[in-house]
Amino acid sequence: GESVGLHLPTLSVQEGDNSIINCAYSNSASDYFIWYKQESGKGPQFIIDIRSNMDKRQGQRVTVLLNKTVKHLSLQIAATQPGDSAVYFCAENSGGSNYKLTFGKGTLLTVNP
Amino acid sequence: DTEVTQTPKHLVMGMTNKKSLKCEQHMGHRAMYWYKQKAKKPPELMFVYSYEKLSINESVPSRFSPECPNSSLLNLHLHALQPEDSALYLCASSQRDSSNQPQHFGDGTRLSIL
Repeated sequence: GESVGLHLPTLSVQEGDNSIINCAYSNSASDYFIWYKQESGKGPQFIIDIRSNMDKRQGQRVTVLLNKTVKHLSLQIAATQPGDSAVYFCAENSGGSNYKLTFGKGTLLTVNP
Repeated sequence: DTEVTQTPKHLVMGMTNKKSLKCEQHMGHRAMYWYKQKAKKPPELMFVYSYEKLSINESVPSRFSPECPNSSLLNLHLHALQPEDSALYLCASSQRDSSNQPQHFGDGTRLSIL
């Protein structure tokens, strides 16, 4: 399950299960959202993005859902694999400047074999 | 392998030293960024360059001095750093000519201040 506290939120799943990582964003004017995966010792890696005129976008084994009404973003990973273990960050383009991304706190996904 | 290359991968320096971090990309991106990331925290934006000009400085102390010599290179000059500046420093780049484009990150320089 998912736990949120003083430390990095964590999600632990079994290999082959589907994972859902959630993110609440802060700015109702944000019009562009990105999910990044960060493995230990590496920089954030782009996974998938979505613009505010969409509510769903699919990639290879990943789906991003956007609910602007409640300012909520989720990343669904199908058939989770051990290689998916990492910290996942959502990021929003907080309107105004095209360049400024604001990152969420991150979720640590652990996939158990 | 990432298309944004950062050197060095690790750097240990004293508080009186001067050093530089380097970043290079050959994707034709015209926006480049420096971020600071502490352990178990998200990246925090420091600087943005657009067409080799500084467009955003997020109130970063002057002991960090960015430089963009050309469209492919981004440097971060360090001088008189403090122990709390120890962190992972990430470089990123994105296309300038279209809005809503993702930023692509390098693997960072892990900086330790003694």
